[in-house]
Amino acid sequence: DLIQPPSVSVSPGQTARIPCSGDVLPKQHTYWYQQKPGQAPLLVIYKDRERPSEIPERFSGSKSGTTALMTISGVQAEDEADYYCQSADSSGTYILFGGGTNLTVL
Amino acid sequence: QVHLVQSGAEVKKPGASVKVSCKASGYTFTDKYIHWVRQAPGQGLEWVGRINPSGGVPIYPQSFRGRVTVTTDTSIAIAYLEIYSLTLGDTALYFCASGPPTASSFFDSWGQGTLVTVSS
Repeated sequence: DLIQPPSVSVSPGQTARIPCSGDVLPKQHTYWYQQKPGQAPLLVIYKDRERPSEIPERFSGSKSGTTALMTISGVQAEDEADYYCQSADSSGTYILFGGGTNLTVL
Repeated sequence: QVHLVQSGAEVKKPGASVKVSCKASGYTFTDKYIHWVRQAPGQGLEWVGRINPSGGVPIYPQSFRGRVTVTTDTSIAIAYLEIYSLTLGDTALYFCASGPPTASSFFDSWGQGTLVTVSS
């Protein structure tokens, strides 16, 4: 299982940190998706800390032990969304999702 | 540029089956996995299964094994998800997504989603 807090709130310009914990994370990469209402998810972080070219630099990822962390530095109103972490089981065969974190920009 | 276009919304009765399609373009269809992910109303993401269009058996999590089938038609670059014995709990938005054909795959492009409503 991958565990995320249900919600995180920050003010514009502050730093948002969204954790994802799971026993499999030391062995498998973590991926992060942003989902806005009525839209398909969008990959924002892959392989723990890599960022697709179209994703703003304020998005970053890290991992330590059983906890992965997605950080948004200088949060903007447009970053308000649900964020999901994703990994795989120890064999790499089965995909796992976290329950999702709703980011509110106050 | 990967582009995935899914079939339109479906309304089905409990016990029926439904088949959703996902048309891929912008890349070589056999170079990526096709995954299916569902999202019930107001809920999170749930992995339904995946297929390698270049061959091999599809993979399903225990929760869907025996109740869904994922197939592809490589001649027209379309993937299909068929769900059998629908229940009210299958009402959800179903997404197809592409991903690298490796262990520990992920989702680099997504379809727009297909709403399946199960109602008596």
